[in-house]
Amino acid sequence: GQNIDQPTEMTATEGAIVQINCTYQTSGFNGLFWYQQHAGEAPTFLSYNVLDGLEEKGRFSSFLSRSKGYSYLLLKELQMKDSASYLCAVRDRAGNMLTFGGGTRLMVKP
Amino acid sequence: NAGVMQNPRHLVRRRGQEARLRCSPMKGHSHVYWYRQLPEEGLKFMVYLQKENIIDESGMPKERFSAEFPKEGPSILRIQQVVRGDSAAYFCASSSPGLNEAFFGQGTRLTVV
Repeated sequence: GQNIDQPTEMTATEGAIVQINCTYQTSGFNGLFWYQQHAGEAPTFLSYNVLDGLEEKGRFSSFLSRSKGYSYLLLKELQMKDSASYLCAVRDRAGNMLTFGGGTRLMVKP
Repeated sequence: NAGVMQNPRHLVRRRGQEARLRCSPMKGHSHVYWYRQLPEEGLKFMVYLQKENIIDESGMPKERFSAEFPKEGPSILRIQQVVRGDSAAYFCASSSPGLNEAFFGQGTRLTVV
């Protein structure tokens, strides 16, 4: 089975940097995903990591350590519109489904 | 190229009625996933389908819930004899072989009264 943990809530200031951590314990692993979800809307894809290391995409970066079962999402130059839930998800070895963590609700304050 | 289309966006049912939720995947996608999301919670996997086949239904309740993805037409998630606890947002995602990203629809918000 899969067990994915991430903080429930975080608060940060506009213009700052925030790091959202995710730890996982899985029976199989075939990639880790981060999604952004605004209230009442569909999750939208942010990043995908399958090998160890950092993937950078504009203001967002995602890191993976498979040996530690650990990932983080780094958001730079925070904007008010970044206030949303950030969902960490792991794909199983068969590559079939994504198992999601409970999500981290990020509030960006002026 | 339209995204994943779900309808209806909002559905209200009385206890004991049936709910039918539809999902049309993105063009060219043959894999469909259904997830349920309770308020303030994460997405819980329900079922994974390919055309005319259920591949993994390990997240589906054993009773009252069923899903299909026919050769023609949308995928259907069917909930019989709904109860208040079925009230949630139901999201559909689609993908295709070799594609890392799954694309989500806008969801159907089911309210059981």
